[in-house]
Amino acid sequence: GAGVSQSPRYKVAKRGQDVALRCDPISGHVSLFWYQQALGQGPEFLTYFQNEAQLDKSGLPSDRFFAERPEGSVSTLKIQRTQQEDSAVYLCASSLTGHLSNQPQHFGDGTRLSIL
Amino acid sequence: GQQVMQIPQYQHVQEGEDFTTYCNSSTTLSNIQWYKQRPGGHPVFLIQLVKSGEVKKQKRLTFQFGEAKKNSSLHITATQTTDVGTYFCAGFIQGAQKLVFGQGTRLTINP
Repeated sequence: GAGVSQSPRYKVAKRGQDVALRCDPISGHVSLFWYQQALGQGPEFLTYFQNEAQLDKSGLPSDRFFAERPEGSVSTLKIQRTQQEDSAVYLCASSLTGHLSNQPQHFGDGTRLSIL
Repeated sequence: GQQVMQIPQYQHVQEGEDFTTYCNSSTTLSNIQWYKQRPGGHPVFLIQLVKSGEVKKQKRLTFQFGEAKKNSSLHITATQTTDVGTYFCAGFIQGAQKLVFGQGTRLTINP
């Protein structure tokens, strides 16, 4: 595709439910990132994949958050037993190579998650 | 915690006025990137600065990277309504191997 695609665009869940958010990066992009963006704030790093390898998950807030990218393309961010503080926009970004320091990141439109 | 601070949080200007946003890091940055996020949209990459003291221009936008590689600024000359949005700096912190975003400066413009 032309850009990073995320689905669903909006997700409403009841507290305690599990949710799964999908990211389809730009074809051929090696690096994939997940960010959490609270209202009025900048994106906060959650986790990073280089191909299928999850090289950094230091930003995941708790063990309820889990991400995978099994074939090195599409990625899924799963949140178990959701809580109200999980409400945010979840952004996925990809970049062409694994050289993080000099690559622009291309963002998807995000999934706006609301926990009731 | 947040290591990259950005000010101001909000800026409202009359169309045609200039606008500046400032970014400061508590640690030395390998490089800094700037992104623009339109209302309801996603961050879009604008530019990257790598060298100490670097200045880059894109039409009415001027980007600077400080000599110590701890601060940066974005200046827009003669704002237009199309400049509306939130501008984020994002620093690549040596050793951390990740981009750390500032809180952003939301620019609104009175036509």
